[in-house]
Amino acid sequence: GAVVSQHPSWVICKSGTSVKIECRSLDFQATTMFWYRQFPKQSLMLMATSNEGSKATYEQGVEKDKFLINHASLTLSTLTVTSAHPEDSSFYICSARAGLPHGYTFGSGTRLTVV
Amino acid sequence: AQTVTQSQPEMSVQEAETVTLSCTYDTSESDYYLFWYKQPPSRQMILVIRQEAYKQQNATENRFSVNFQKAAKSFSLKISDSQLGDAAMYFCAYAANAGKSTFGDGTTLTVKP
Repeated sequence: GAVVSQHPSWVICKSGTSVKIECRSLDFQATTMFWYRQFPKQSLMLMATSNEGSKATYEQGVEKDKFLINHASLTLSTLTVTSAHPEDSSFYICSARAGLPHGYTFGSGTRLTVV
Repeated sequence: AQTVTQSQPEMSVQEAETVTLSCTYDTSESDYYLFWYKQPPSRQMILVIRQEAYKQQNATENRFSVNFQKAAKSFSLKISDSQLGDAAMYFCAYAANAGKSTFGDGTTLTVKP
């Protein structure tokens, strides 16, 4: 139980285009989901907290207009990288709190390459 | 702000031996959770073990155990009988109540056959 599905696993897009990443909780309801960014061999950096039915809370330094987050249902949160640039290339991971005993469950991540 | 510090960027252990990964954290909260996650080359984050701050007993999961020292704000992970499949990056993480997690910088563990 407590599975989070993240799609796509990897995506290549051209500079200036937008990319949407989906994060779904498959067997539980997630009122809150978290979006992280990870550079190679580095830690996970929280980008934003996604709340169902309300606006996301962004961490300091994260551009709200570039990284659009929508949490329209209790099982789906999406991260859209708008007007992507090569510096947006990274590994993006979502997470949801599934409750005891699972704690926080992570999606499998999305490797974004902007060319 | 909460911080999590992993002072060992890299560690190595001989197969079947025991290794301890260190983690310290800083918080003013009294109720929180601590975690150790494993991230293999696939980059999937896998929960290894969890500790509730209000519990004095150290958590254990098979070959994995923690040494939780609340007053010292220390949370180390011991891996016994190390296996080749244990090789990965290990992250220590903190979360207060149901809030966001803060991660350490990670420790890359190498297991030598």
